[in-house]
Amino acid sequence: RKEVEQDPGPFNVPEGATVAFNCTYSNSASQSFFWYRQDCRKEPKLLMSVYSSGNEDGRFTAQLNRASQYISLLIRDSKLSDSATYLCVVNDGYQKVTFGTGTKLQVIP
Amino acid sequence: EPEVTQTPSHQVTQMGQEVILRCVPISNHLYFYWYRQILGQKVEFLVSFYNNEISEKSEIFDDQFSVERPDGSNFTLKIRSTKLEDSAMYFCASEGYTKTQYFGPGTRLLVL
Repeated sequence: RKEVEQDPGPFNVPEGATVAFNCTYSNSASQSFFWYRQDCRKEPKLLMSVYSSGNEDGRFTAQLNRASQYISLLIRDSKLSDSATYLCVVNDGYQKVTFGTGTKLQVIP
Repeated sequence: EPEVTQTPSHQVTQMGQEVILRCVPISNHLYFYWYRQILGQKVEFLVSFYNNEISEKSEIFDDQFSVERPDGSNFTLKIRSTKLEDSAMYFCASEGYTKTQYFGPGTRLLVL
């Protein structure tokens, strides 16, 4: 099983749609979790941290399920500017960080 | 807003040559990282650095690689004898007390 696994997509959705991404991780001792977005040929940029209780930032909602070892990202009311690759990132708590392969989102007018 | 900077933005080198990639992390951050991303592939962790020593490294980070924080501001990645497969984007990141990492814009390395 890959350490951090994501559906690569692409997810093609119309503007205004709601889209959800999942990510699974293999190390049950993982400590912290993040969603980053990466635009083509650019650096990853932090979108949001993921907390056990779930957290929301505007149109974005992240959830963590430790028992099943997955995290999710929900994007509501998709905008054209949301088109990017979304990276699931897991930190084992000892400064070792693992990225998923990313899920590509294309929002269509 | 403080940001991580990296130089050079692009580097072309011949196979077997040494390269040094430079990063200036955010000034009050404590943890520093190097990652690489081969074109079309995922971001791969190379090494983390804390308190002037390596805290974790991946299998990729072999004896050809070294890191240094020579002067308290710069953080460098050296590749001693580059190979064709070292061609990639190299990202530096720094992390403070919030445990979130901020990435630099990357150095695109091409080994010919």
